Amino acid sequence: IAGITQAPTSQILAAGRRMTLRCTQDMRHNAMYWYRQDLGLGLRLIHYSNTAGTTGKGEVPDGYSVSRANTDDFPLTLASAVPSQTSVYFCASSDSGQGSSGANVLTFGAGSRLTVL
Amino acid sequence: AQSVTQLDSQVPVFEEAPVELRCNYSSSVSVYLFWYVQYPNQGLQLLLKYLSGSTLVKGINGFEAEFNKSQTSFHLRKPSVHISDTAEYFCVINAGGTSYGKLTFGQGTILTVHP
Repeated sequence: IAGITQAPTSQILAAGRRMTLRCTQDMRHNAMYWYRQDLGLGLRLIHYSNTAGTTGKGEVPDGYSVSRANTDDFPLTLASAVPSQTSVYFCASSDSGQGSSGANVLTFGAGSRLTVL
Repeated sequence: AQSVTQLDSQVPVFEEAPVELRCNYSSSVSVYLFWYVQYPNQGLQLLLKYLSGSTLVKGINGFEAEFNKSQTSFHLRKPSVHISDTAEYFCVINAGGTSYGKLTFGQGTILTVHP
């Protein structure tokens, strides 16, 4: 089934450790995103990539980095995890298509639950 | 700047009752509006979207929403809910056709359907 695969599903991490959340899509979508979901705050964009080789900062980028070496993969790295990064992380993608990009629908992965102690 | 406010954080209803989940938005330019649904322990999926044209939009699972420009609202409705509709619902805005996926999410409304 076409979609987005995220790994790990869940992880408990000690503060100060480095962590990479993996995201792979098989839909050949140009654009990919990382969001974090926190209770009462909805989803907030961390980083995005409009196409392979390019990335951009979202609303809450501090403490996170991304890379987009190819179309399918978009890993999110926490260089030195802190407790405030405890959250559920969602990777998403969209087909850039033609016309206004604002109309594009996002496909989401199932999420990665990260707890930083 | 754009913003989205979902007026209810939790909505409990009984099965087969009607439901309305309220969403107001703020934007100085034209907008695209979406409702996404998140079932327990899953990612989000699109319920419906308003891009242009008819202000009444029909989505999956019997949901519909009405775009009201004068009231800057995009309320979600269903005439008769089922237990399986229990989920969290997000109202989402993208104003002015800006960059891919740079959406603004509401805080979410948890719909709980009781038997």
